[in-house]
Amino acid sequence: EVQLVESGGGLVKPGGSLRLSCAASGFSFSNAWMYWVRQAPGKGLEWLGRIKTKADDGTTDYAAPVKDRFTISRDDSKNTLYLQMNSLKTEDTAVYHCTTSMAYPNIFNRWGQGTLVTVSS
Amino acid sequence: DIQMTQSPSTLSASVGDRVTITCRASQSASKWLAWYQQKPGKAPKLLIYKASSLETGVPSRFSGSGSGTEFTLTISSLQPDDFATYYCQQYNNYPLTFGGGTKVEIK
Repeated sequence: EVQLVESGGGLVKPGGSLRLSCAASGFSFSNAWMYWVRQAPGKGLEWLGRIKTKADDGTTDYAAPVKDRFTISRDDSKNTLYLQMNSLKTEDTAVYHCTTSMAYPNIFNRWGQGTLVTVSS
Repeated sequence: DIQMTQSPSTLSASVGDRVTITCRASQSASKWLAWYQQKPGKAPKLLIYKASSLETGVPSRFSGSGSGTEFTLTISSLQPDDFATYYCQQYNNYPLTFGGGTKVEIK
């Protein structure tokens, strides 16, 4: 069974940093493009970024609101995806999901349950 | 960036109703459009990809159509389990973008 389990969320002050992790199991993690999507309280879904497999050059793409502040990385030896978040703003408060596709790139048919990040003084 | 606009934002319907949700793209998304269902406190669930392809395990009462800039999600006969929020997502270009959502409520 495919499982994605996020961790690392919590309360952080504006300007602070946080690193989220997503532990993957039940599929070939090293062969999967991985993504982060967030959802602010009571709001819609927002794609944050993507990391390709190392075989596909391992590059990343980001949404404009988080580019230069957030960094996606992966450790295939640990089947783990990361999201390093720096210079956090109150508007970054959201549930953060890692997600992937078992079939086609850039759509999401496997999701983690999400981890809540609250940015507040 | 491709902006995705869904309408309506809220829809009140009864069990058995035929329901249609529209998603418009600010520029062509070709056929690269997905639909998701989300229930409160849960992660989204993929329903439709490539505008009209049904994800494995999704009931056949869900269907998608469209291409270019206009897409629709249709539920042929609304069931109690279908009351949820629905999102479209284009994947023709980066950044990947979602519509604002359509909440389907009980009438």
